[in-house]
Amino acid sequence: AQSVTQLGSHVSVSEGALVLLRCNYSSSVPPYLFWYVQYPNQGLQLLLKYTSAATLVKGINGFEAEFKKSETSFHLTKPSAHMSDAAEYFCAVSEGGGSEKLVFGKGTKLTVNP
Amino acid sequence: GAVVSQHPSWVICKSGTSVKIECRSLDFQATTMFWYRQFPKQSLMLMATSNEGSKATYEQGVEKDKFLINHASLTLSTLTVTSAHPEDSSFYICSAYGQGGSGANVLTFGAGSRLTVL
Repeated sequence: AQSVTQLGSHVSVSEGALVLLRCNYSSSVPPYLFWYVQYPNQGLQLLLKYTSAATLVKGINGFEAEFKKSETSFHLTKPSAHMSDAAEYFCAVSEGGGSEKLVFGKGTKLTVNP
Repeated sequence: GAVVSQHPSWVICKSGTSVKIECRSLDFQATTMFWYRQFPKQSLMLMATSNEGSKATYEQGVEKDKFLINHASLTLSTLTVTSAHPEDSSFYICSAYGQGGSGANVLTFGAGSRLTVL
C-alpha cells in the first residue's frame, strides 16, 4: 500500500522567503509523485509531477521538487514566496504506469506574511 | 487545457433527500473518473473509481448504496448521495483521466461541490 506523510500541517513564511514543504512517501513500487495546490473552495491544480524521469522537477509558479529515493522524499520548494502562494498544498503518490489513482497526504497550509 | 466542470458548486438540502452532483469533461473524453470526499481542513479521500460503461469500484468503507455513481458516457459521471444526512455534509471533488484531445493522459480535477445537509 502506498502512503504519503506531509510534515507540518501549517507553514508560515515571510514574503520573499524560501518556501519548503515536506513530503515523504511509502510505496512498494516505483512511485509517481505529485504536488497539488488548492485555493479555498476550489478544486486541485497540479503544480508538478515526478514520473521516473529527471529527479528535479520544475513546475508552475516557480515551484520545484526533488525526488530523493534514498530519503523517500519529494519536498516542494520555491526560492521566494509571494502573497498569492498562500493556499493548501497536497502531496500525492500513485503507482503510475497509467494508474491515476492517487493517495493524498493530509495537506500543508501555507501562509505568507507581508 | 483540459477542463472538468462540476455542478452544482454549492448545494443545501434537507435530511433524507437525495442530491445529484455532476462531473463533466468539457473538451476530452474521460475514460476514468474518480470521486473524492474532503472534510474541512483534511485531505482528499478517494471514494470510488468509475470507468465509462461499467460499475464503479468503491474504496473500502464507502457505502455503494449510499453513494451511487454512474458513468454512462465518456464525458459525464454523476454522484448521487441518497437519503442524505448531516454527516454527509462535505466537499466532493471529481477528477477525470482522458484519452485523446486536451485531456490525454492528464488527470484533471473539478472545482468541487460543497454539500450541506440540514
